[in-house]
Parts: sequence; structure tokens; C-alpha cells
Amino acid sequence: KQEVTQIPAALSVPEGENLVLNCSFTDSAIYNLQWFRQDPGKGLTSLLLIQSSQREQTSGRLNASLDKSSGRSTLYIAASQPGDSATYLCAATQGSQGNLIFGKGTKLSVKP
Amino acid sequence: DGGITQSPKYLFRKEGQNVTLSCEQNLNHDAMYWYRQDPGQGLRLIYYSQIVNDFQKGDIAEGYSVSREKKESFPLTVTSAQKNPTAFYLCASSISGGTVDTQYFGPGTRLTVL
Repeated sequence: KQEVTQIPAALSVPEGENLVLNCSFTDSAIYNLQWFRQDPGKGLTSLLLIQSSQREQTSGRLNASLDKSSGRSTLYIAASQPGDSATYLCAATQGSQGNLIFGKGTKLSVKP
Repeated sequence: DGGITQSPKYLFRKEGQNVTLSCEQNLNHDAMYWYRQDPGQGLRLIYYSQIVNDFQKGDIAEGYSVSREKKESFPLTVTSAQKNPTAFYLCASSISGGTVDTQYFGPGTRLTVL
């Protein structure tokens, strides 16, 4: 059974710092890997989706990488801002019906 | 504006009562999903539907029921058989439910059992 783990559970950094969030999965037979952002009490916002055949995706200050062989994905945030403070969730897609298996998230706090 | 709406935002239920959470989308998506989120936990799949009048159980379907009579609507009923229903419930949709599709999420409903 697929298990998705995110480390660390919480992270606090000063504004302007570059940071990396980690996601690992136990079964490399995934279709894609997605990163989401969740603000307190809100729904999820999709940030990046990496197909299994891809190595990375970029959107603005965000860059996500995928290494299926090692069962790892990272989300790199450049020049962090207080507005980046949120919980970041990764999810692996398994099964032909697009079902997502989520990690527990990393709660990021960017201090001004 | 296109999107997914969930209502109500907050819901309180007495023990033994059934309650229904609403999820509507105007994105013309075929696939819809219900997830449950508990504090400090990832989302867990309750039910999903890839087409009208068809749905499948997810990992934690016990104590829940759904219907998909219309493409844009996927209501979730939390029955009295659900032993610990207090949680944050999120509805999502995707274009076709395929492996390349991004899921788009609604704002959630927070259910509290009194």
C-alpha cells in the first residue's frame, strides 16, 4: 500500500530564504506527483503537477522535482515571503482513476 | 466565475443524526471526489465518481453515502453509522478523473458532532 511521507512536519524560516520541502513515497508505480498549498481552514490550491515521465516542473518561484527511482519529490521555494506561509501537501496519483494518496503536509511559516 | 462550492461552511450535528454536505461545480468536470481531513493528517478519500450515476468507494467509505444524479452535483451524506464524523470535508473535481488531471478543491465544510 502506497504511503506518502513529508518531512519536516513544520518549518520556520526568515523572509528571503530559499527552502526545500521533502516528500517521499513507498511505491514508485505512480502516474504523477502533485504539490498543493492549504491555508488555515481553507481548501487546497494546486501548485504543480509532475507527470511520471518528467523530472521537474516550475512555476514562478516554485520548482518541484521528481525522482521515481528513489521515491522522492522536492518542492523548492525561492526567496520566501510571508505570504508563502501555509501548509504544503504532496500527493501521489495511483491507479488509472487518478486517486490521490496524500502526505500529512509541512506547515511553513515565513517570518518578516 | 467557474469553481467548486461547498455548503454549509460549518455544520453541527447531534449524535444519531444523518447530515448531507453539498458540493457543486460549474467546471463541466466529469470526475468528483470527497475527502476527509483530520487535524495534522493528510486527506483520505471517501468516495469518488467519474461519471453521472456511477461512484466508487474510497479508503474510508464506511458510514458515508453519496449520489451522482447530475454532473455538477455530488452530495455526501454522513450517516449515524459513522463513529467519528467530526472532521473537515473537502470536495474536489477533475476534468475526466484520469491520471494526468489536476484536482480542483472546494473551500470545505467543517462538521462537528455535538
